[in-house]
Amino acid sequence: DAKTTQPPSMDCAEGRAANLPCNHSTISGNEYVYWYRQIHSQGPQYIIHGLKNNETNEMASLIITEDRKSSTLILPHATLRDTAVYYCIDRTSYGKLTFGQGTILTVHP
Amino acid sequence: ETGVTQTPRHLVMGMTNKKSLKCEQHLGHNAMYWYKQSAKKPLELMFVYSLEERVENNSVPSRFSPECPNSSHLFLHLHTLQPEDSALYLCASSQDGASKVDTQYFGPGTRLTVL
Repeated sequence: DAKTTQPPSMDCAEGRAANLPCNHSTISGNEYVYWYRQIHSQGPQYIIHGLKNNETNEMASLIITEDRKSSTLILPHATLRDTAVYYCIDRTSYGKLTFGQGTILTVHP
Repeated sequence: ETGVTQTPRHLVMGMTNKKSLKCEQHLGHNAMYWYKQSAKKPLELMFVYSLEERVENNSVPSRFSPECPNSSHLFLHLHTLQPEDSALYLCASSQDGASKVDTQYFGPGTRLTVL
């Protein structure tokens, strides 16, 4: 079972920042937090991952709390194409990504 | 484009048919995975291969038979499936599968319908 919890759905206006929270209170010290997204009926797309420090790439920023019990994925300027299911995942064991239900993000005009 | 391709993209088969799903990765990775995504359910890991050796089989029924002839290709052979096996089947690859910092890249999936 996934060890992360996310809100089931969120809305965001186009052009605004989308902030997607994730709770991973049982994460251990050497487990990374990964974020993927899945646009309807397509394969999941890797977004970003982090351990302790905040991370940024061309797609998003990842803010991890100091106690590592939660994180926030930030899409700085959401577009309609960012509408998708967003998954927050903590790596548990060899090769295993355990996907939960994720957050359905809807970006509206 | 993630560098992972899957064929066919859509497949309809009867319960007595035998078919195969194909996955190819162009990323130079050593680990490959099959996942299943049924309607309204999270992705479920089915099989993991590392350096062409199967390292995980998540209690998948024997009517699903994986094959990894080399590190770039992965097959899922299907026979005598049931309608409840209808799902999106996703292939993924990663550098080695052993590290906790080992990003998996997914293909577009094969939408399977079993009649």
